[in-house]
Amino acid sequence: TQLLEQSPQFLSIQEGENLTVYCNSSSVFSSLQWYRQEPGEGPVLLVTVVTGGEVKKLKRLTFQFGDARKDSSLHITAAQPGDTGLYLCAGSNSGTYKYIFGTGTRLKVLA
Amino acid sequence: EADIYQTPRYLVIGTGKKITLECSQTMGHDKMYWYQQDPGMELHLIHYSYGVNSTEKGDLSSESTVSRIRTEHFPLTLESARPSHTSQYLCASSEYVGGYGTGELFFGEGSRLTVL
Repeated sequence: TQLLEQSPQFLSIQEGENLTVYCNSSSVFSSLQWYRQEPGEGPVLLVTVVTGGEVKKLKRLTFQFGDARKDSSLHITAAQPGDTGLYLCAGSNSGTYKYIFGTGTRLKVLA
Repeated sequence: EADIYQTPRYLVIGTGKKITLECSQTMGHDKMYWYQQDPGMELHLIHYSYGVNSTEKGDLSSESTVSRIRTEHFPLTLESARPSHTSQYLCASSEYVGGYGTGELFFGEGSRLTVL
């Protein structure tokens, strides 16, 4: 069974600070996605990365896919209270239709 | 705006009852999924479907069953609910993109089940 471990599990920071969330696996994935989930709602897609070494930016969020396609990171610059939520990475492989989710990182940004 | 709907949003029932969680999507997606999630925790895949009349069990063993008679409908049934089934159940659909296995997952708002 493929596993995706995220770290840290919990993170509480002040507004304006930077942070990085990691998503690691011993398995190779064809693509990796990052989702954010707010209480009472389903996860919402932030980004998809498909190429080893790929870097994508979404405003203050920077996503990177590891060269070997086994890991990924999410960096948030100048965090804001609106960034608060549960961040989940999810990996999938071509030829399958399964998305395996990571263990999750719960982020709280204090004003 | 995702067009995927789950009912009921909240359900409190007694042990031994049969329940069905409904999930419908209007996007015409072939792939549909059921995930189980405890509050603030990771999502565990319990069932998925490639298309009509195609269902598979996920990585997390579950006593629930699913059916896919119509593209837009993917209900989940528990024949006899137990307290250990208390959790949030999330339904999702996607349009598979060949080559990389990508495709955005669109989630419903979830069904929170409590079994007393």
